[in-house]
Formats: sequence, structure tokens, C-alpha cells
Amino acid sequence: EAGVTQFPSHSVIEKGQTVTLRCDPISGHDNLYWYRRVMGKEIKFLLHFVKESKQDESGMPNNRFLAERTGGTYSTLKVQPAELEDSGVYFCASSLGVQAFFGQGTRLTVV
Amino acid sequence: GESVGLHLPTLSVQEGDNSIINCAYSNSASDYFIWYKQESGKGPQFIIDIRSNMDKRQGQRVTVLLNKTVKHLSLQIAATQPGDSAVYFCAESLSGGSNYKLTFGKGTLLTVNP
Repeated sequence: EAGVTQFPSHSVIEKGQTVTLRCDPISGHDNLYWYRRVMGKEIKFLLHFVKESKQDESGMPNNRFLAERTGGTYSTLKVQPAELEDSGVYFCASSLGVQAFFGQGTRLTVV
Repeated sequence: GESVGLHLPTLSVQEGDNSIINCAYSNSASDYFIWYKQESGKGPQFIIDIRSNMDKRQGQRVTVLLNKTVKHLSLQIAATQPGDSAVYFCAESLSGGSNYKLTFGKGTLLTVNP
């Protein structure tokens, strides 16, 4: 069975551009989470979907970040416009219950 | 790798020795705790978990100890191998309700010397 997959694995964009990250959770997992790790910091929670609904988006840093999960399957996280401080590794995780399975992450570099 | 510049706590051990990685968690209401291993270029990989109604749980070569009085969690790795070299994170969560979001610790870089 495929695990959580994320695309792209790396992205380098200029400040002010838009980037969209994609996450495909494990099939059947209703819970989908986005986390990120900014250089020098801990992995931080961004938001949580249950199926297509946002359950908790308290970790989203500002309105430049938009997450969607249309149809309750894959999810996208769009950053528009990107700023230098958005650089880091963005992880997606999915779960049925408490045990979360993580993807390999997308390393975003804003220059 | 990803750990460059992060100034993580580090632990260096010889192959075959036992390793102990410690973590202080923040929320006294947390009732579910997990240890993750992250290798360079990969996402966090589940190692072992423990619920707050236990103080010890053993897996294959790993043991997690929970001390709720001082909000401390530890991961013991027996007979550490070079393949155990990675960054180790503890995470806490509230298992009640439907939001199992994780709060991660800073991470510890474990280096195993052959």
C-alpha cells in the first residue's frame, strides 16, 4: 500500500511568486494534516482536515496560505505571494485515528 | 542535510551501545505521546507510542518511558546500530475528540559511530 506522498519534493521560487504543494494521503484516511519545519525551529502544526472539512486551522501563519481538500482525497497548500520566511520543509500526514503517517515533505526555498 | 544550522541537541554513541534520548513535553493535559525518527530527506517515521495510563512500553530494541509528574519522556534504543543515526522527535497529543494534532519537541540528532 502506498504511503503519504507529496509533490514536489523540492521547490525554489522567487519572493512574490505562488507555489502549490500537493499531498496524497493514505487511501481511506479521513484525517489529513499539514505541518512545516522552518529552519532552526520545531515541526509546527498548520491545519487539520477531516475529509473535505477544515477541522482546525489555528496553525496557519497568515492569509497568504490557503489549504484545500476538495472531495476529501488529496490536499493542496498554496502560498501566495511567497515570502522569504516561508522557506522550510512542509510535511503532510494522514491518519485514521491517533497514529499519523508522514510524507517525505516538500522543501520550499524562497529566494 | 536538513539538520544543518538547526543547532539540535546531539548524542553521539558507539555502535552496540545503548542510547537514551530525552524529551520534555509542555502540556500536562496531553495523553498520547509518540517518538518519530527522521532521516535526511525523509519524513518523520513512527517508532513507538505510549498513552498516559502507562509509564513504560517496549518495542523491538526500543523502550519509551513516561514520567507525567515531571512531564518527561525518554526513548531508549538498545544495541544502537549505524542505521539508527537520525534526528529523533518526541510529540504529544490529546487523543480525546477528533483532532489529533501533534506538538513536536525540538529533536535530537543521534550519531552512531561504527
